[in-house]
Amino acid sequence: DTEVTQTPKHLVMGMTNKKSLKCEQHMGHRAMYWYKQKAKKPPELMFVYSYEKLSINESVPSRFSPECPNSSLLNLHLHALQPEDSALYLCASSQGGGGVQETQYFGPGTRLLVL
Amino acid sequence: QQPVQSPQAVILREGEDAVINCSSSKALYSVHWYRQKHGEAPVFLMILLKGGEQKGHEKISASFNEKKQQSSLYLTASQLSYSGTYFCGTAGSGNTGKLIFGQGTTLQVKP
Repeated sequence: DTEVTQTPKHLVMGMTNKKSLKCEQHMGHRAMYWYKQKAKKPPELMFVYSYEKLSINESVPSRFSPECPNSSLLNLHLHALQPEDSALYLCASSQGGGGVQETQYFGPGTRLLVL
Repeated sequence: QQPVQSPQAVILREGEDAVINCSSSKALYSVHWYRQKHGEAPVFLMILLKGGEQKGHEKISASFNEKKQQSSLYLTASQLSYSGTYFCGTAGSGNTGKLIFGQGTTLQVKP
């Protein structure tokens, strides 16, 4: 089973709203990732959590706040977003602590629209 | 440094073969290949590690030449289900888990 689940599937929010994206995996993976993907573009890494600790932050604006409450769960808290933040947000996980030799398995994504 | 994929797009008839290339200007430790269909998540195809290893399953295989910092994905006897956008993700040395994806190659297989 290589399933990563994400909720919600779609989200529409205003620029003053606060919302959260949720990602879950039950494969025992110890690294989890957030990516942002704009239309017709490749996924871009935002954050990496390794053993529940933030190991990479790709200079993401503070209006995006990640959280890893436990080894199975990853959240992305959104606040005061801009219309240009509209995109597909993908979560991924890998077995170890996030080594470059590990396969990353992606969830179906949350399609976010900021009005 | 984003890897460069070529071609940007390719159209095939069922049963034809295709090669997608991925080149980097930096030394690579691993290359990861994914296929993404419209509106769906990227699906893992294969990973190649430093060592020039060639991998494959069924009619999809790949090679990795770390000296040339290049990888190629080979699709043989293409099927309609192969349609989608193919991304290579590259990683340098270090245990960071950071993948940088190429701009993608759109493959369309027609009956």
